[in-house]
Amino acid sequence: DQQVKQNSPSLSVQEGRISILNCDYTNSMFDYFLWYKKYPAEGPTFLISISSIKDKNEDGRFTVFLNKSAKHLSLHIVPSQPGDSAVYFCAAMKSSGDKLTFGTGTRLAVRP
Amino acid sequence: KAGVTQTPRYLIKTRGQQVTLSCSPISGHRSVSWYQQTPGQGLQFLFEYFSETQRNKGNFPGRFSGRQFSNSRSEMNVSTLELGDSALYLCASSALFRQNTGELFFGEGSRLTVL
Repeated sequence: DQQVKQNSPSLSVQEGRISILNCDYTNSMFDYFLWYKKYPAEGPTFLISISSIKDKNEDGRFTVFLNKSAKHLSLHIVPSQPGDSAVYFCAAMKSSGDKLTFGTGTRLAVRP
Repeated sequence: KAGVTQTPRYLIKTRGQQVTLSCSPISGHRSVSWYQQTPGQGLQFLFEYFSETQRNKGNFPGRFSGRQFSNSRSEMNVSTLELGDSALYLCASSALFRQNTGELFFGEGSRLTVL
């Protein structure tokens, strides 16, 4: 039962353009969402998060949008840079600080 | 500040054997979680330890076990290895149990190959 889904296994974007990574969830008890980035041979690193009381959170080139009614969130990277090429994991948790539930990841390739 | 350290980084075992993986969390972190990463499955939660007690467990068979020591270091063990256990095993630490921010600090992982 995949409660957090990333339906696009891969995405290719031109440098300087916008990258949009999508994530859907099914458990309405989730109310805290995170994005992690993973380079090959490294562990995932925390990127950005959003609480369910918000619909947008911005940190530099990275913005996460949350649509609770659609149970959908997205990560926007503007402008995309070659160094952003990595696997991006969406994750969700309940407010009690329960375990993180991860999606299957989206591999982003930013072309120079 | 040293990050999360996992050993060994790579190992090869055969079916039926058992394996023990080790994780040293960031100094001062008392919570350690373990995840299994396989292609197409993302990161699957195995278990979480805090102050030497297992606080949460994922949906893995009893062949997967773990423990945490008084210095917060953790080990996980997989007995009677199966081919499907081949994966990257990731350890993550955080300062607090069930940290509300969900921000975990991951190690580089232990790549297990079962032949």
